[in-house]
Amino acid sequence: ELKVEQNPLFLSMQEGKNYTIYCNYSTTSDRLYWYRQDPGKSLESLFVLLSNGAVKQEGRLMASLDTKARLSTLHITAAVHDLSATYFCAVVDISGTYKYIFGTGTRLKVLA
Amino acid sequence: NAGVTQTPKFQVLKTGQSMTLQCAQDMNHEYMSWYRQDPGMGLRLIHYSVGAGITDQGEVPNGYNVSRSTTEDFPLRLLSAAPSQTSVYFCASTTHRGLDYGYTFGSGTRLTVV
Repeated sequence: ELKVEQNPLFLSMQEGKNYTIYCNYSTTSDRLYWYRQDPGKSLESLFVLLSNGAVKQEGRLMASLDTKARLSTLHITAAVHDLSATYFCAVVDISGTYKYIFGTGTRLKVLA
Repeated sequence: NAGVTQTPKFQVLKTGQSMTLQCAQDMNHEYMSWYRQDPGMGLRLIHYSVGAGITDQGEVPNGYNVSRSTTEDFPLRLLSAAPSQTSVYFCASTTHRGLDYGYTFGSGTRLTVV
């Protein structure tokens, strides 16, 4: 059964600092997705990583995928308050079921 | 506007009542899913569909039914509501071919069962 774990679950950081959110998953997959959710809102897609070694960047966020380690990272550079949100990773089980499973989320708070 | 439409946005049910949460998309997406979101537990997959006429169970299917008679619609039925089904429900869709794109999510339905 596919399991997706994120850490940390909560992250409070100062503006201007760097940090990394980790996403580990339990079975073979070559598709990993990152989403952002603002409080009381729906989710929006941030990144789609489709192969080993894939790296995507937008603004202060950069995501990468290592399928051999079953690990994805979301790196935040020089955080700003507007990045405060909950970030989710999700993985597709490509073994046959094609279930699309989410991690528990990382709640990020950037302090001014 | 193209997207995923969920109705209703809010609903209060009494224990034992049944209801259907509606989900429709106009992007010709083959792949559709229902999730529930509870504090501290992320999104958990209830049911999903890879195309019209095909549905399958997710992580937490008990107490819910789905059907997919058309590409556009994917309703979620609560058979006999229980307080444990109090949650925020999200419908999402994407293209199935290789799942090369992220989901498009609906705005959610906040359900309270009393």
